[in-house]
Amino acid sequence: IAGITQAPTSQILAAGRRMTLRCTQDMRHNAMYWYRQDLGLGLRLIHYSNTAGTTGKGEVPDGYSVSRANTDDFPLTLASAVPSQTSVYFCASSDRQGSYGYTFGSGTRLTVV
Amino acid sequence: DQQVKQNSPSLSVQEGRISILNCDYTNSMFDYFLWYKKYPAEGPTFLISISSIKDKNEDGRFTVFLNKSAKHLSLHIVPSQPGDSAVYFCAASTQGGSEKLVFGKGTKLTVNP
Repeated sequence: IAGITQAPTSQILAAGRRMTLRCTQDMRHNAMYWYRQDLGLGLRLIHYSNTAGTTGKGEVPDGYSVSRANTDDFPLTLASAVPSQTSVYFCASSDRQGSYGYTFGSGTRLTVV
Repeated sequence: DQQVKQNSPSLSVQEGRISILNCDYTNSMFDYFLWYKKYPAEGPTFLISISSIKDKNEDGRFTVFLNKSAKHLSLHIVPSQPGDSAVYFCAASTQGGSEKLVFGKGTKLTVNP
């Protein structure tokens, strides 16, 4: 089934630890995005990539880094996790040409303690 | 500054009645608007969209209305069903939907049997 796969589905992480959230898509979409969802704050863009080899900062990029070595993968890394990074993280992709916006993954629930 | 605003965090309606979810935007450059639906523990899924050249788009029980002069759009669900209970996100973009989406904070709809 075509779509976006995120891993892990959930994780409890000690503060100060490094963590990489994985995201893989099989739709050959050019653009990929990372959002975090927090109660009362909606979906906020962390980082994005318009095409393989390029990345850009979104609304809340601090404490996060991304890479886009190929079309399919877009991992999000927390170099040193802090409790304020407790959130649900969604990866999304788009072909930037269609009229349907983004396709989202199922999310990773991260708790930093 | 929030460019896409959903001022009602929650809405409760009776099954069979109409649900009206509202969204306001401030950026006059937005020319494409989308609604996403999100169930707990799942990623958002595309529901319906509208281009700024239209003022109405209908898909089954779902209709989106756009009032460009007021910078306001609304999603009507008729008749509402318990399965419609979810969080609804309004999103907007420029360049016909090919650029990064800006999301509102979401409205949690509860449809009571």
